[in-house]
Amino acid sequence: QVQLMQSGAEVKKPGASVKLSCKASGYTLTGYTFRDDYFHWLRQAPGQDFEWMGVISPGGGATTYAKALQGRLMVTSETSTSTVYMELYNLKYEDTAIYYCALANPYYTNYWFDPWGQGTLVTVSS
Amino acid sequence: DIQVTQSPSSLSASVGDRVTISCRTSENIADSLNWFHQKPGTAPRLLIFSASKLQSGVPSRFTGSGSVTDFSLTINSLQPEDVGTYFCHQSYTTPGAFGRGTRVEI
Repeated sequence: QVQLMQSGAEVKKPGASVKLSCKASGYTLTGYTFRDDYFHWLRQAPGQDFEWMGVISPGGGATTYAKALQGRLMVTSETSTSTVYMELYNLKYEDTAIYYCALANPYYTNYWFDPWGQGTLVTVSS
Repeated sequence: DIQVTQSPSSLSASVGDRVTISCRTSENIADSLNWFHQKPGTAPRLLIFSASKLQSGVPSRFTGSGSVTDFSLTINSLQPEDVGTYFCHQSYTTPGAFGRGTRVEI
């Protein structure tokens, strides 16, 4: 069973950038490969709804981002280490949230997130 | 964008009760509706995908139903470990959208 392990908590100042990682393991047991799946990033701010941020297909590197974050978000992958990265630029106070990576089946419709990483708290504070 | 309305926002029930949570979407999403359970301080866990399919390892007391715009999650015989927040998620589009959650207490 695939497991996702995220990097640790971050504290950043407004205007700074943050780069989080999400490492996948357990693929040899499933028959699929890291390149086959889609990896999504989502966040959950205190008291707010889940917000979808973006998705990457490691096989070809294709990405799709939420309109509200375009220009500030970059999602990349490194197939040699089965790791996906999320970098958010020009941080604002409202970017304070728990950030999750999640694995999904490789479709843009009727997909589901399973599993999720454990979450990474990003705090934006002066 | 497709809107998702989840109800109720919270509920309290007794061990052994049957509990039902509903989600309604603003457009036809066929069966592209998933249900998650989240306990405080942990990541969400997939319970049901494609409206009615039970994820491997999830107890059979959880059932999902519905299609088009109206969906429900039923917990038959509520257990103490079922406390937490339940979310629905429409995945007919990318991005999808989550419901605002239902907090379940014993």
